[in-house]
Amino acid sequence: DSGVTQTPKHLITATGQRVTLRCSPRSGDLSVYWYQQSLDQGLQFLIQYYNGEERAKGNILERFSAQQFPDLHSELNLSSLELGDSALYFCASSVDGATGNTIYFGEGSWLTVV
Amino acid sequence: GESVGLHLPTLSVQEGDNSIINCAYSNSASDYFIWYKQESGKGPQFIIDIRSNMDKRQGQRVTVLLNKTVKHLSLQIAATQPGDSAVYFCAEAQAGTALIFGKGTTLSVSS
Repeated sequence: DSGVTQTPKHLITATGQRVTLRCSPRSGDLSVYWYQQSLDQGLQFLIQYYNGEERAKGNILERFSAQQFPDLHSELNLSSLELGDSALYFCASSVDGATGNTIYFGEGSWLTVV
Repeated sequence: GESVGLHLPTLSVQEGDNSIINCAYSNSASDYFIWYKQESGKGPQFIIDIRSNMDKRQGQRVTVLLNKTVKHLSLQIAATQPGDSAVYFCAEAQAGTALIFGKGTTLSVSS
């Protein structure tokens, strides 16, 4: 158990809908990351937050957004869902987001868009 | 663009053998490298990391080797066990950037 908690574990929704994925980082970790894992793209970095502020942005679509709240939990919002958004979404956390600090991953949220 | 890749998508070994999983990276500015293990249905699990000022680092049954000259990273697993069966990812980062992952190598261990 990495200490990173993600909910829900599984989610099935229809195209055009909106979903919210939730992440609680490890106790004491200030930085949160979101990654998308699909069969053909591997693990793709989406976005990183540190202590409530966006720190880095990767291949995140405009239909997706995220935030980190004062209690340090984070949410990833996916809207206008398309079939291609079906993937495993991982949240990860690290102490302060600096390069070299170990990043711990949660178990992921399986999203299926039908 | 720059990316981290692995030489082989799959590797099959016998229990007790030593396994070597390779990774080539293209960003010479990367100064931090990590190996993760991902079992089916689970999140990536940290195995071992190495900074660019090191050539070798050892953990429990695992060794990571870094060759900056040819931009090559490898993970050696000693006495491979069935529980080592998983997908292994290398990842790289440089200061101020997030981890960039390669596509992974599937290690299958038969007993």
